[in-house]
Amino acid sequence: NAGVTQTPKFQVLKTGQSMTLQCAQDMNHNSMYWYRQDPGMGLRLIYYSASEGTTDKGEVPNGYNVSRLNKREFSLRLESAAPSQTSVYFCASSEGGTIAGNTIYFGEGSWLTVV
Amino acid sequence: KNEVEQSPQNLTAQEGEFITINCSYSVGISALHWLQQHPGGGIVSLFMLSSGKKKHGRLIATINIQEKHSSLHITASHPRDSAVYICAAPFGNEKLTFGTGTRLTIIP
Repeated sequence: NAGVTQTPKFQVLKTGQSMTLQCAQDMNHNSMYWYRQDPGMGLRLIYYSASEGTTDKGEVPNGYNVSRLNKREFSLRLESAAPSQTSVYFCASSEGGTIAGNTIYFGEGSWLTVV
Repeated sequence: KNEVEQSPQNLTAQEGEFITINCSYSVGISALHWLQQHPGGGIVSLFMLSSGKKKHGRLIATINIQEKHSSLHITASHPRDSAVYICAAPFGNEKLTFGTGTRLTIIP
């Protein structure tokens, strides 16, 4: 039982390049999330998926797209990377329904630098 | 505005001391999460509580829904407790608002 697995762990991109962060969970969770963490700020929600086939914008969706490929996988794509997207990205999952009532599980994080 | 505030931002203590980290939030919620972020970056859930108190080992979390306040206590602190502790409140079904975290350092 690996929990939440995200790749890559580290990536350096040039401005304007594109990339996809991959995330998979093996806990049969309905809900999956992508967050970014910046110095001095709390984790901020980029996009989430409450169930397979649905995605919704979070607090900071601009410059990102997501795909809920199936129940296990939720990917985050940067179409044209910008230095402002330099951050640590976390994928997370929970059983869903309401985040108030369910434990949330995080991946190990992906450190992305855009130069 | 839905806000979550933690205090202190940084806390340094000697091994064995009793630690308290506070979290307050702006509007009523049904439950609150406490998380731990290890120095290497990984985040794990410690507690999710909606009322009263929960205990796991040397960690105790309390919440007062009426006062919109929660505390995380660590008894007999140890250097391995050094981490960033984060509280998070659900404002909306799928949206957690996170505090900025309390960086705890326990000195041997």
